Amino acid sequence: GESVGLHLPTLSVQEGDNSIINCAYSNSASDYFIWYKQESGKGPQFIIDIRSNMDKRQGQRVTVLLNKTVKHLSLQIAATQPGDSAVYFCAENIGRGNTPLVFGKGTRLSVIA
Amino acid sequence: GAVVSQHPSWVICKSGTSVKIECRSLDFQATTMFWYRQFPKQSLMLMATSNEGSKATYEQGVEKDKFLINHASLTLSTLTVTSAHPEDSSFYICSAGILRGYTFGSGTRLTVV
Repeated sequence: GESVGLHLPTLSVQEGDNSIINCAYSNSASDYFIWYKQESGKGPQFIIDIRSNMDKRQGQRVTVLLNKTVKHLSLQIAATQPGDSAVYFCAENIGRGNTPLVFGKGTRLSVIA
Repeated sequence: GAVVSQHPSWVICKSGTSVKIECRSLDFQATTMFWYRQFPKQSLMLMATSNEGSKATYEQGVEKDKFLINHASLTLSTLTVTSAHPEDSSFYICSAGILRGYTFGSGTRLTVV
């Protein structure tokens, strides 16, 4: 289930189940979105990205869905594994590479073995 | 490819001293470097954007005289926290804009005692 902690909401899932992490982004003009995974004490690790001209993009075990109407992004992780336990951030920007990313609040995913 | 090496990975310093954090692009030229700060259980907050050979652009609320950014070459950007205080204790992360997106350093954990 999902709970809201002091700062980061936490999503707890059983190993093998699918996880869905949600993100509400802020700028309707944003045209590029990225999901990052961050483990404790490390920098963000790229998971998957999507441009605003797409609604869905799939990677290995991960799928990103974009709903521009309500400014919502989701990350689906299939067959969640203990190694997926981390904090997940969505990030948005306009353009690529030459403008900074704006990060969402983040969600802690906890996988129960 | 597109690796950013960030050093040190952690540092403890006394209050009132200065600390320099370095980010080097190892196999590409980083025209633009973004510096983020992350407090425990919070998201990454953009501090400043630096472009090689020009002055950095700071976000609102970030003291430019306290957080000195130097981007004198296409492979090196540095952040110096001057007269550090305990409230500056945080996780600092650099990010370089690249052709296909962004690459992040591994972060520096700064603890001011």
